[in-house]
Amino acid sequence: DQQVKQNSPSLSVQEGRISILNCDYTNSMFDYFLWYKKYPAEGPTFLISISSIKDKNEDGRFTVFLNKSAKHLSLHIVPSQPGDSAVYFCAASEGSGGSNYKLTFGKGTLLTVNP
Amino acid sequence: NAGVTQTPKFQVLKTGQSMTLQCAQDMNHNSMYWYRQDPGMGLRLIYYSASEGTTDKGEVPNGYNVSRLNKREFSLRLESAAPSQTSVYFCASSVDGRGGRYGNQPQHFGDGTRLSIL
Repeated sequence: DQQVKQNSPSLSVQEGRISILNCDYTNSMFDYFLWYKKYPAEGPTFLISISSIKDKNEDGRFTVFLNKSAKHLSLHIVPSQPGDSAVYFCAASEGSGGSNYKLTFGKGTLLTVNP
Repeated sequence: NAGVTQTPKFQVLKTGQSMTLQCAQDMNHNSMYWYRQDPGMGLRLIYYSASEGTTDKGEVPNGYNVSRLNKREFSLRLESAAPSQTSVYFCASSVDGRGGRYGNQPQHFGDGTRLSIL
């Protein structure tokens, strides 16, 4: 049973436009969420995270939104650049007790930004 | 600025052979992790070490053993490799396991070991 779902295997956008990547989760105990970016033949690179006590977190061109009632989060990239083309993974952990050792990952979404 | 270093990068084994994947981090992190990634799948946690001297099972520990050799190094061993263990293996580390309300403590990943078992 997948606890973190990324229902879009791929997404294609034009350079300069907004990219929106979505992620849904089923475990109500998750309270820490992260997005990772992965290029081929490299390891995942941390992008941005959000705690369940917030509903939005921004870092430059990247913004993550969290809707706890819908168990949904999204990553917005504005403006999109060709270098953003990569696989994006959503991950979540149960932070209760102050521990997030066990990250649960979604299957990833391949983002292609066309020049 | 090496971060997390994994060796080897590629390996081909025959069924039944044993193999140890090595991982070292130079960020003075307390916690270390081993994941596997299969085609079309997200990363799945095999084992983790919250701190030096401790190890715990993750989601898919069967067929693997780990050793936290010291604060820097965390190895993953396949005692008798099986074709189902063909995968890309990633090692990661973090300051510690705390996240969420305690602040941003993401895991940092190595570039992976691509393991094929024939």
